[in-house]
Amino acid sequence: DAKTTQPNSMESNEEEPVHLPCNHSTISGTDYIHWYRQLPSQGPEYVIHGLTSNVNNRMASLAIAEDRKSSTLILHRATLRDAAVYYCILDNNAGNMLTFGGGTRLMVKP
Amino acid sequence: EAEVAQSPRYKITEKSQAVAFWCDPISGHATLYWYRQILGQGPELLVQFQDESVVDDSQLPKDRFSAERLKGVDSTLKIQPAELGDSAMYLCASSRGWDQPQHFGDGTRLSIL
Repeated sequence: DAKTTQPNSMESNEEEPVHLPCNHSTISGTDYIHWYRQLPSQGPEYVIHGLTSNVNNRMASLAIAEDRKSSTLILHRATLRDAAVYYCILDNNAGNMLTFGGGTRLMVKP
Repeated sequence: EAEVAQSPRYKITEKSQAVAFWCDPISGHATLYWYRQILGQGPELLVQFQDESVVDDSQLPKDRFSAERLKGVDSTLKIQPAELGDSAMYLCASSRGWDQPQHFGDGTRLSIL
């Protein structure tokens, strides 16, 4: 399975944009890029996913590099409630078998 | 918004005992997943159901773990006998289909004494 590499932790200031990077140099042509986040004491929560084109939804934006070897999750205006562990996951959509790595722990400072 | 329900929220038991977790997925969700999450790590998939059928249980330690979804709705995950290393959060998730986003419950935290 193709793997992802994320920084262990990042800090952001409240109300500022946050760019969470993910490297996936061994991604295959059929792999979708999924992002989930996990708030303290809760189960993971779906954020966004994409294949080749950039994607936007009410929670975030996903920017995918042209060669698809990296992607960036963008939170346009961080709030204290965005403090969570963010997981970048690859899935070839042949069964939605998500393999979670260690993720990035995002800390938001007031 | 409808949620995935899990119970109990916490479970403390002694090693060698049997333990069971219950999950009620979002209504209409055909696909159900059980994950185990060790503290400080990401969730690890144990088993995936499509309706009442097991799609993948390759990561389920079948000597002590079992999972069922008899009527294709709610599901039970059982451990017998429990070992110290089974202490973890057990998460259930569901989705409309195998290609749809997964919705997670808040899990059952298991502590083995």
